[in-house]
Amino acid sequence: DAGITQSPRHKVTETGTPVTLRCHQTENHRYMYWYRQDPGHGLRLIHYSYGVKDTDKGEVSDGYSVSRSKTEDFLLTLESATSSQTSVYFCAISEFGLESPLHFGNGTRLTVT
Amino acid sequence: ELKVEQNPLFLSMQEGKNYTIYCNYSTTSDRLYWYRQDPGKSLESLFVLLSNGAVKQEGRLMASLDTKARLSTLHITAAVHDLSATYFCAAEKLVFGKGTKLTVNP
Repeated sequence: DAGITQSPRHKVTETGTPVTLRCHQTENHRYMYWYRQDPGHGLRLIHYSYGVKDTDKGEVSDGYSVSRSKTEDFLLTLESATSSQTSVYFCAISEFGLESPLHFGNGTRLTVT
Repeated sequence: ELKVEQNPLFLSMQEGKNYTIYCNYSTTSDRLYWYRQDPGKSLESLFVLLSNGAVKQEGRLMASLDTKARLSTLHITAAVHDLSATYFCAAEKLVFGKGTKLTVNP
């Protein structure tokens, strides 16, 4: 899995609570991404990072924030979880931006009740 | 806004048969990626196509890119059961199609 660890692997939380998902890489890659995967929607980009403290929004960023204080860690925070954020979240990394493919973590299954 | 459409979304085929999955995208893109996902698993990179006319092959799978037609194809030759998975294309890395769920029946 290209040295990518997502934690937790599974989480159940209640509506309105904050949730933070962590992505840790050991590849020293510059680019990191958060996607969500939902049936019928494929993968949709939430946020991405092109370096420490450099992040940008993706297609479905509302309700999510990210932080990257170190090259190896990219955190995704749901400020106040809603049921519509129940999903499988994938972190991905790439070495050279658009010229190199994404390598994905194993995913975090989040259920918001 | 870049949109990526795959078809078919579901494909059931017999072992030994050939078939093609299509990936159309809406705006200019010079880069196209194909990924495979097994049920309950993560995504694995299959092919990176970086220029018009690019063709790559790995085993029974061959991918091509026509940037003028904004079309990429993933051709399956003599399918085997192990190819059963969901296949995604992605343009400019960031925008994915909805995936094609391939089932290869004995």
